[in-house]
This record gives sequence, structure tokens and C-alpha cells, in this order.
Amino acid sequence: DAGVTQSPTHLIKTRGQQVTLRCSPKSGHDTVSWYQQALGQGPQFIFQYYEEEERQRGNFPDRFSGHQFPNYSSELNVNALLLGDSALYLCASSLDPGGRGSPLHFGNGTRLTVT
Amino acid sequence: AQTVTQSQPEMSVQEAETVTLSCTYDTSESNYYLFWYKQPPSRQMILVIRQEAYKQQNATENRFSVNFQKAAKSFSLKISDSQLGDTAMYFCALNGGGSNYKLTFGKGTLLTVNP
Repeated sequence: DAGVTQSPTHLIKTRGQQVTLRCSPKSGHDTVSWYQQALGQGPQFIFQYYEEEERQRGNFPDRFSGHQFPNYSSELNVNALLLGDSALYLCASSLDPGGRGSPLHFGNGTRLTVT
Repeated sequence: AQTVTQSQPEMSVQEAETVTLSCTYDTSESNYYLFWYKQPPSRQMILVIRQEAYKQQNATENRFSVNFQKAAKSFSLKISDSQLGDTAMYFCALNGGGSNYKLTFGKGTLLTVNP
């Protein structure tokens, strides 16, 4: 039973560039959430996708956008990269019977470095 | 707004001993969910234990248990018989209920188990 998989593992980009991160949820899960984790901090919620729609968004600018595909996999896109976007990006999946208490299953993350 | 505070940036414990990690939180909702997640150096966030606010009984998972004090908005994690593999960052997280699907994380406590 495959868990949450994220690609790539590491990424180095230059300021102003655009990046796409990918996530495949755990088998059987239909909800995908994205979190940004700066060094030494707890994860910060970016947004959550359910039924191919953005269901909730955190306090992140419009440069951060996402998508969920019919097979429940998801992408996170960041435009006009800033140095401050350097972080570990975590994808988490869950099964949503409308349950906000559903435990999240996390991937290993994508380490993004912006130079 | 929902907040989570972990006041212990670092803790250490000897192998086989017991340690307690502290967490306080705030939410205006009456029905919510609390979690402890563990993040070892491998980066993958792993669920340790989950507590539903409307359940008065404290959750337990093998060597891990919580002390949930709803009135005080406190949610501490006790690790018994500490093992070297318990060395990790531990994050307390809150899903504040209502129309809120996100998890709000604390800043984490780095736990080191010494041989």
C-alpha cells in the first residue's frame, strides 16, 4: 500500500522563476493538503483540495496555486519565486467523509531552495 | 483564529525514562481535534496520537498517552519507556472544527533520547 509520494525530492530555483511540485495521495484517499515548513518552524497551511476544488486556503499570496486531478493527485505551483519561498513543502492526504478530524498522512516533502 | 503554543523548544530524556511534552491551544469552537505528530530527521511527519475534544477519556497509543485538559486548553504528550527511535521533532496540532479544514501546528519540541 503506497503512502503519499512527492516529487521532486529537492529543487533549486532562481528568484523570479516558477516551480511545480507534485503529490500522489495514499491509496484510497481523496483529499490533499499542502503545507509550507520553514526551517525550524511548524508547517503552515497553504490550501486543501477536495473533489478537484480548492476547499480552503491559508494566508498565502496568489502566487501560490494548485490543482487536483480526477485521480486525486495534486500539484502546487509557485510563481515569481522569492528567497523567502525557500522551505520544505509537505503534501498530506486524508479520506474525507466530511471529517475534519481525519488524520493526515504526509509525504517526505520537497525541499525548495530559491537563490 | 486558532493558535497552538509549544513552550519547550528542546528536551532530552534518558532511554527507558518517561518524558512529557507540553502544548496549549486556543479555539472558539466546542468540537475540535488535537494531534501530536512526530518528524524524525527523515522529514516524514508521522501521526503519534489523536484526541477528539468531545471525548473526555485521554487517548493512548502503546507508550504514548495524552493529558487533555479541555478547560485549561492544554494537551500534553507523555512518552513512557523512551527509546532511541523516539528522537525527533514533535508537533502539537489543532483542527479547530467548524468550517475549518486546516491543521494549525505549534513550533515544535525537539526531543533527544540519550543512551
